[in-house]
Amino acid sequence: NAGVTQTPKFQVLKTGQSMTLQCAQDMNHNSMYWYRQDPGMGLRLIYYSASEGTTDKGEVPNGYNVSRLNKREFSLRLESAAPSQTSVYFCATPTDTASGNTIYFGEGSWLTVV
Amino acid sequence: DAKTTQPPSMDCAEGRAANLPCNHSTISGNEYVYWYRQIHSQGPQYIIHGLKNNETNEMASLIITEDRKSSTLILPHATLRDTAVYYCIVRYLQGAQKLVFGQGTRLTINP
Repeated sequence: NAGVTQTPKFQVLKTGQSMTLQCAQDMNHNSMYWYRQDPGMGLRLIYYSASEGTTDKGEVPNGYNVSRLNKREFSLRLESAAPSQTSVYFCATPTDTASGNTIYFGEGSWLTVV
Repeated sequence: DAKTTQPPSMDCAEGRAANLPCNHSTISGNEYVYWYRQIHSQGPQYIIHGLKNNETNEMASLIITEDRKSSTLILPHATLRDTAVYYCIVRYLQGAQKLVFGQGTRLTINP
């Protein structure tokens, strides 16, 4: 998980509240991703960003917005949290050079919506 | 986006070889096959990747069929610490694309 920092690590929200998950990487990678993982399920892609200033929807984008204001940071916003968004959220960034071979993940953000 | 299909669960005895299959029939010529694993709720951990040839590293071996439509991850001497969910994904080595994880295979190593 070196090089990818997510905040906060834990958060409890009430239904309807808003919040932003922050992700920062210090590896100068172009691409960044947000995934969610529900109990007993695989990772599902929410949004991704191929480069600074660009974002695209993944598999499950509804209820989320993202912002890639600079190369280092990619934030995920829940405008009106719902219990169905209770999940663990992972930020990730892959190496994007010919010599690279891995995807770096953050440690995860545990979100509970009550 | 190339999709992958894996069995939902597998069991293996400690000390034996664990063979995890993955189907990726829509893989394109420039996409690599990657394997990751996730222990509990930690972030996924890189294991190995390959394009056409079989690959081996200190963790595992990767066998890719000649037509590249499927592959097998081999953990040669499984230990209890190898109990995890294993994900097979395909991606280009360069450029941006959706990185789609399937459901993965929950591997349980039994004593």
